[in-house]
Amino acid sequence: GEDVEQSLFLSVREGDSSVINCTYTDSSSTYLYWYKQEPGAGLQLLTYIFSNMDMKQDQRLTVLLNKKDKHLSLRIADTQTGDSAIYFCAESFGRATMNTGFQKLVFGTGTRLLVSP
Amino acid sequence: EAGVAQSPRYKIIEKRQSVAFWCNPISGHATLYWYQQILGQGPKLLIQFQNNGVVDDSQLPKDRFSAERLKGVDSTLKIQPAKLEDSAVYLCASSLPGDTDTQYFGPGTRLTVL
Repeated sequence: GEDVEQSLFLSVREGDSSVINCTYTDSSSTYLYWYKQEPGAGLQLLTYIFSNMDMKQDQRLTVLLNKKDKHLSLRIADTQTGDSAIYFCAESFGRATMNTGFQKLVFGTGTRLLVSP
Repeated sequence: EAGVAQSPRYKIIEKRQSVAFWCNPISGHATLYWYQQILGQGPKLLIQFQNNGVVDDSQLPKDRFSAERLKGVDSTLKIQPAKLEDSAVYLCASSLPGDTDTQYFGPGTRLTVL
């Protein structure tokens, strides 16, 4: 089945690193995503990792994937107050083609990150 | 490049009333999704279109929810009649089928049913 779990809350001080964790149950997912949601806004794509990769780095963001444990993490270096938001991990199923466009995203419950000055 | 547009941003109705939401995807994106996000939860897929055809509507409560994408571009999602538990943010997303199929989200419509 498809189930994605995240811790609900994380509080850090400005300048520290933040690590947001996610576990998933279905090993057939093709991509895993991290989205950010600020109050009153839609979801903003932060980064994604292909399921055959272990790590991906994108500026202050580092994604680690442990396929054996079905564990995904997002590390934000030098966390700023503007990083305060809810972070969702999501796993995708299916593969789009020009004809089917079939890809399903299953989201976690979200982790609220609070960055204090 | 303009993002996914949605309207209205907010809607308050009484139970048993009807409501409709509109979505305009990113230009050229063939795939369009509607999600329901209840407070404190992650988004849940309601329906997915590929051009003007439905790919997946297994999670759509069809007794009260309907959606269409007649010309393969804009889409509307309707609830008739609304229930208290329909209070949520309704998110529209679009994607361009390809290797990553990344979905881009609109700002959402916050529905409150009284």
